[in-house]
Amino acid sequence: DTAVSQTPKYLVTQMGNDKSIKCEQNLGHDTMYWYKQDSKKFLKIMFSYNNKELIINETVPNRFSPKSPDKAHLNLHINSLELGDSAVYFCASSRTASNQPQHFGDGTRLSIL
Amino acid sequence: AQTVTQSQPEMSVQEAETVTLSCTYDTSESNYYLFWYKQPPSRQMILVIRQEAYKQQNATENRFSVNFQKAAKSFSLKISDSQLGDTAMYFCAFMKSSGAGSYQLTFGKGTKLSVIP
Repeated sequence: DTAVSQTPKYLVTQMGNDKSIKCEQNLGHDTMYWYKQDSKKFLKIMFSYNNKELIINETVPNRFSPKSPDKAHLNLHINSLELGDSAVYFCASSRTASNQPQHFGDGTRLSIL
Repeated sequence: AQTVTQSQPEMSVQEAETVTLSCTYDTSESNYYLFWYKQPPSRQMILVIRQEAYKQQNATENRFSVNFQKAAKSFSLKISDSQLGDTAMYFCAFMKSSGAGSYQLTFGKGTKLSVIP
């Protein structure tokens, strides 16, 4: 019954590797987001998609590439992982309406060795 | 660009007491929304309460209420009858439209609240 689910919950990998995080929502929302939470707990938006179209693309390195195969899924692929990529990555979704809150997944903790 | 400031990095409160978490924001937008999210040690992001900027009435959700002062750009959260389960990081967030049905959340740096038995 999970509304926004992310896999995996934990990801430990070596510097230089490529990895993906998957996100799926079963709420029927049109818009999905990726946020990064750093070691100081600061949350910052990375991307948003509305009906598979990229809307927000903050100043994120090109190594990060979101992909939305359909409006229920938004995956995040990261190439050539660096130490600074260690963080918790949150997926979120919302309805396309002005006052609707964003619903968050449980986050993926990415640790780069 | 919007900024959200939470001036209290950490706070503590005795169980059953009341605590207020402060939040100020800076924006030139006239139409926006404000939220408080809670992040317990389990890492989940849980919506606590929301406020539309065009509404003068302060939002209330059970033990949680806000004091929204639009002119002062202030949005504080009051927790009454604090419970041990309220121990968490609390994030104030500002939301505005980014166009095409997408809404951008800007978060404050958070206030770590500890409820003491």
